[in-house]
Amino acid sequence: EPEVTQTPSHQVTQMGQEVILRCVPISNHLYFYWYRQILGQKVEFLVSFYNNEISEKSEIFDDQFSVERPDGSNFTLKIRSTKLEDSAMYFCASSAVGPGNEQFFGPGTRLTVL
Amino acid sequence: AQSVTQPDIHITVSEGASLELRCNYSYGATPYLFWYVQSPGQGLQLLLKYFSGDTLVQGIKGFEAEFKRSQSSFNLRKPSVHWSDAAEYFCAVGSISGGYNKLIFGAGTRLAVHP
Repeated sequence: EPEVTQTPSHQVTQMGQEVILRCVPISNHLYFYWYRQILGQKVEFLVSFYNNEISEKSEIFDDQFSVERPDGSNFTLKIRSTKLEDSAMYFCASSAVGPGNEQFFGPGTRLTVL
Repeated sequence: AQSVTQPDIHITVSEGASLELRCNYSYGATPYLFWYVQSPGQGLQLLLKYFSGDTLVQGIKGFEAEFKRSQSSFNLRKPSVHWSDAAEYFCAVGSISGGYNKLIFGAGTRLAVHP
């Protein structure tokens, strides 16, 4: 069964450093998403991406964040200068086109900012 | 604004007992509603979804949920819980924009199952 994969599973970084979180969505999906979950809090939408551009982003997704689909398979989330409050579990998801289509989630990357 | 409330943070049930997890939503139009489950170290797996039609929807692993518009609820049920059902359960509403849903999640309910 096709699945969304994410690497790394755990990333530790120093405050102010840049991190790139990687995702491989399901191959025939066209919509891609990033969500995050701060420990003990709810899962929050960050950004959606379609046709090589951002479709929608939340107020969390400020100028420190960017997304890219550098090739035909990867989808990345970059945090330019990490802050302590960026520590969270980051989930990638993908879906086929259409509002009724399920979003398939990856296992997540736990980001720890020291 | 759209929102989802899951009033129960933790629930403990005995194996074999019935289960109901509560979910209330706030959404201006007919909602797209979802229940996801997250086991430790795993991603979110879709249990079931409601878009329209029959208000009682069946999902995987023996789960079902009932959409009640008058109560703005979408409660998840299972008649007999198994130990492997211990996990965190998230209710979500889809905020439709173009061809996709932006999912708005509730805070989650952590389910523990006693043998």
